[in-house]
Amino acid sequence: GAVVSQHPSWVICKSGTSVKIECRSLDFQATTMFWYRQFPKQSLMLMATSNEGSKATYEQGVEKDKFLINHASLTLSTLTVTSAHPEDSSFYICSARGGEVAGLQAYEQYFGPGTRLTVT
Amino acid sequence: KNQVEQSPQSLIILEGKNCTLQCNYTVSPFSNLRWYKQDTGRGPVSLTIMTFSENTKSNGRYTATLDADTKQSSLHITASQLSDSASYICVVSGAGNNRKLIWGLGTSLAVNP
Repeated sequence: GAVVSQHPSWVICKSGTSVKIECRSLDFQATTMFWYRQFPKQSLMLMATSNEGSKATYEQGVEKDKFLINHASLTLSTLTVTSAHPEDSSFYICSARGGEVAGLQAYEQYFGPGTRLTVT
Repeated sequence: KNQVEQSPQSLIILEGKNCTLQCNYTVSPFSNLRWYKQDTGRGPVSLTIMTFSENTKSNGRYTATLDADTKQSSLHITASQLSDSASYICVVSGAGNNRKLIWGLGTSLAVNP
């Protein structure tokens, strides 16, 4: 149980285009989803936290107009990188937390496999 | 300042050997400490989660310890396998108004045949 998927697993796009990454909780309802970014040889950096049906809360320094997050349902959150530039190239990882309602440990986050974004 | 420090930064061991990874933290107030395994190009996978009252927790060949007084944790890997080659990340969750996850930089483990 507690499986999280991401799509696509990797994507290459041209500078200036937008890219959408999907994060799905496959076997539980995720009340909260998190989006992280990881650069080579660095740890995960939290970008934003989203609760179903409400606006995402962005971490300091993360541009909310550039990284659009939508958490429209309890099983799906999307991250759209708008007008991508080469410096946005990174590994993007989502995680989902279901809490006690889902029969899971209240504070456990379950991570997706990540999406490698390369902007040329 | 909330920090999580791990040592060593990297480690190379031979298959079948044991190893111990260290984690020191200054997160307060403290809620729980987690160890994750992250394979290259993959998302983290949870190994153990320990709360304040837990001193040790095992998951197969992985055993984590926690000393909440000294704010130290260790992850012991027994009889290492080639598939254990990965980054092992210590993550501490604060409590109350400090509930964010504080991530360590990880220990890169290479298990050689």
